[in-house]
Parts: sequence; structure tokens; C-alpha cells
Amino acid sequence: QQQVKQSPQSLIVQKGGIPIINCAYENTVFDYFPWYQQFPGKGPALLIAIRPDVSEKKEGRFTISFNKSAKQFSLHIMDSQPGDSATYFCAASTNAGKSTFGDGTTLTVKP
Amino acid sequence: NAGVTQTPKFQVLKTGQSMTLQCAQDMNHNSMYWYRQDPGMGLRLIYYSASEGTTDKGEVPNGYNVSRLNKREFSLRLESAAPSQTSVYFCASIGLRPPSSYNEQFFGPGTRLTVL
Repeated sequence: QQQVKQSPQSLIVQKGGIPIINCAYENTVFDYFPWYQQFPGKGPALLIAIRPDVSEKKEGRFTISFNKSAKQFSLHIMDSQPGDSATYFCAASTNAGKSTFGDGTTLTVKP
Repeated sequence: NAGVTQTPKFQVLKTGQSMTLQCAQDMNHNSMYWYRQDPGMGLRLIYYSASEGTTDKGEVPNGYNVSRLNKREFSLRLESAAPSQTSVYFCASIGLRPPSSYNEQFFGPGTRLTVL
């Protein structure tokens, strides 16, 4: 059974727009929630992560918003650029190293 | 540091053939993982190794075997390949990257496998 549900499956925005990708997790205890970015032909790479005792984390143009009571978290990309076009995966992870991934969102940022 | 390396990058097999996917990491990480990635299905864990000498099944282990040869190397074997195993396979290791306080998965570049 899937423990992390991600939406939307694909997203197209204009340059400068703010794409938002949402994830929800089920009744399991996780220690942190990372987002991975994957470019075509490459492996995923960690973009940003948040612990459940924090409601928001910002790194550059990327922000995670976390709602512990609703078991939901989202990624916002400010001032999106064509170079941000990639597939984004959310995950729910334990300190022991186990991660459950969402199905991914393919983002296209048009010039 | 090369990070996580995988060989081969591409492979085409016929149904019933066997092959081993190789993975190595030079970051002195204890834990290593094998995932498969299929369109629209994210990353699914096949097997993992929490430390040298130990391996455990993940979400989709059927049809695969693994060997943790030493701390650096973790191989994935398909004994009798089937078309359903056509996928992109990623190896990963996990460790801390300062200044962060949580574990990060470091992925290899992937092996694109087609089974005819």
C-alpha cells in the first residue's frame, strides 16, 4: 500500500510562476520529509528537506510547507525558471534510512 | 569523490537471460539500496543493505537477488529476466552531508534495462 501520495502528476507553468507540488502521507511515524529533483537521464538528488517539528523551510527559491495535523506537505518554487524543469519526488523518511517515495511530478517551466 | 557509480548504463536482455548490475560508493556509507523506477510509479525499493554482510527485502524483491560484497559494493542480480523487469534501476547509499542533520540518499546515474 502506498504511504505517500503526490499530486499533480504533471505541471506546466510560465517562467516566473510559482508551481506547487503536494504530498500526503499515511499513519506512519516518519522523521523527516525530503524532496528530490531528477533531471532526464540522471539519478534523483536531494533538493530540500524538513523535519515534522517545523512548519516551513526555505532554501533559496525552494520552500517546503508542512502541516503535521493534516499529514500534508508541499513544495513551492518561487520565480520558476526553465532550468527548474525536472521531475520532483517527495518522500517520507526515517532516521534508520528507509524512505517511501511519491510517484513524482514532472514540471515544465516555459520560457 | 565519484559518489555512487553504476555499471552498465544500458543493457538489453532476452527473456530468461541473467545479468548482474554493479554499484559502488566511495563515501564510506553503511547503508545501500536498490530501487527500480517505472513511469508514473516513483521509486520502489527492491532490496537494501543496512551494513556490510546484511541484506533485506524491500517492496518489490521478487525476481531479484543481491550481494553486499563489501562496504563499497552492492550488486543486484536478475537470475531469469522477464519483460516486467524492464525498468531504470538506481543504486543509492545514505549518509549525512554536513551541515544538514538528516540522512540524505545519494543516487547513482541509473541502469536502463530492457528485457525483450
